[in-house]
Amino acid sequence: AQSVTQLGSHVSVSEGALVLLRCNYSSSVPPYLFWYVQYPNQGLQLLLKYTSAATLVKGINGFEAEFKKSETSFHLTKPSAHMSDAAEYFCAVSDPGGGNKLTFGTGTQLKVEL
Amino acid sequence: DSGVTQTPKHLITATGQRVTLRCSPRSGDLSVYWYQQSLDQGLQFLIQYYNGEERAKGNILERFSAQQFPDLHSELNLSSLELGDSALYFCASSLRTSANTGELFFGEGSRLTVL
Repeated sequence: AQSVTQLGSHVSVSEGALVLLRCNYSSSVPPYLFWYVQYPNQGLQLLLKYTSAATLVKGINGFEAEFKKSETSFHLTKPSAHMSDAAEYFCAVSDPGGGNKLTFGTGTQLKVEL
Repeated sequence: DSGVTQTPKHLITATGQRVTLRCSPRSGDLSVYWYQQSLDQGLQFLIQYYNGEERAKGNILERFSAQQFPDLHSELNLSSLELGDSALYFCASSLRTSANTGELFFGEGSRLTVL
């Protein structure tokens, strides 16, 4: 079964600093991988997705992630954090033959400080 | 606005009671998913329906059931409620023509509090 592990339940960065949120996956088949963001009192919103095309994926709001098969990782990065990036971020994996069912990680709460 | 509508937004009830959560998917989306989000369990997949048929089942308790109606809206029924059922219940829908892109559109959730 597919699964993802997010390292660090809370990450704090200064405004303007690099954001790095870590995600490692476990899958018996080439996975589809996703990052979703959840702002307070809202549902989840797709940031970006990897579906076996380019390994470097660009998403919304300046975020990007790189699929590294050798490291089984799909870390999320943003060069310069903004206060509006404060939210909870979820990594998720989908079995390509699994009909869109997503398995989510436990989430990382990002705090951005002045 | 994702286009997915969930009602009610908040619900407070007592142990042993039964509640129904409702979800209207985005226009044209045939798949509906239910997820439970709690502090201790995180985001857990409960069940998926596609065009009225159950497609996949996750960690859904026997006390819970769901269905998708001909107009594609879905309901999640939770019965014999326990304190531990307190959580945020999300509905999501996916693109009609998508075989498996994994892009789910989430509603804002229904927050259930069991006292």
